[in-house]
Amino acid sequence: AQTVTQSQPEMSVQEAETVTLSCTYDTSESDYYLFWYKQPPSRQMILVIRQEAYKQQNATENRFSVNFQKAAKSFSLKISDSQLGDAAMYFCAPRRDGGTSYGKLTFGQGTILTVHP
Amino acid sequence: NAGVTQTPKFQVLKTGQSMTLQCAQDMNHNSMYWYRQDPGMGLRLIYYSASEGTTDKGEVPNGYNVSRLNKREFSLRLESAAPSQTSVYFCASSSQALQGQDGYTFGSGTRLTVV
Repeated sequence: AQTVTQSQPEMSVQEAETVTLSCTYDTSESDYYLFWYKQPPSRQMILVIRQEAYKQQNATENRFSVNFQKAAKSFSLKISDSQLGDAAMYFCAPRRDGGTSYGKLTFGQGTILTVHP
Repeated sequence: NAGVTQTPKFQVLKTGQSMTLQCAQDMNHNSMYWYRQDPGMGLRLIYYSASEGTTDKGEVPNGYNVSRLNKREFSLRLESAAPSQTSVYFCASSSQALQGQDGYTFGSGTRLTVV
């Protein structure tokens, strides 16, 4: 079974500063995608950023970027210029695209991000 | 708005009661999923349906059943609710045809309390 570890239950950052959320995962597959989801207090799950495992280039979406280290099975999320609206629970989620587990996301335990004004 | 619609949003059940959580998507997605979210444990997969007509167990299927009624609808049934099933339930869908690049689209969740 695939395991996903987010070792930081809680993180905090000052508004306008940068914060990095860590994620490691365990998989034996070579083809997969990785996602970060944001869950604000509204409970809605919102896709933040995705990364294809076969791409060496790290994905970037505006203020959000990832540091993907395939050999180390590490997928961290960097939030630059943090805003109050970034406060939420963040989940790392690898997606398996092979075999009988096709298409299933496995979620980490989540990291609660607090943004201080 | 296009997306995933879950009903109800909140529900309180007594131990032993049964109920069905409804989920419908209008994005023509092939795959649908039911997750539960508990504090400190992230989201765990209960059941999924890779395509219309198929369903499979996920990580925590005990106490639940599902029905993929058609391509749009995927329901989750609790036959005899237990306090351990108190949780927030999420339905999600995805299109396998896009080879994983879409991730999931989630419903807004159902907060279920079993007393």
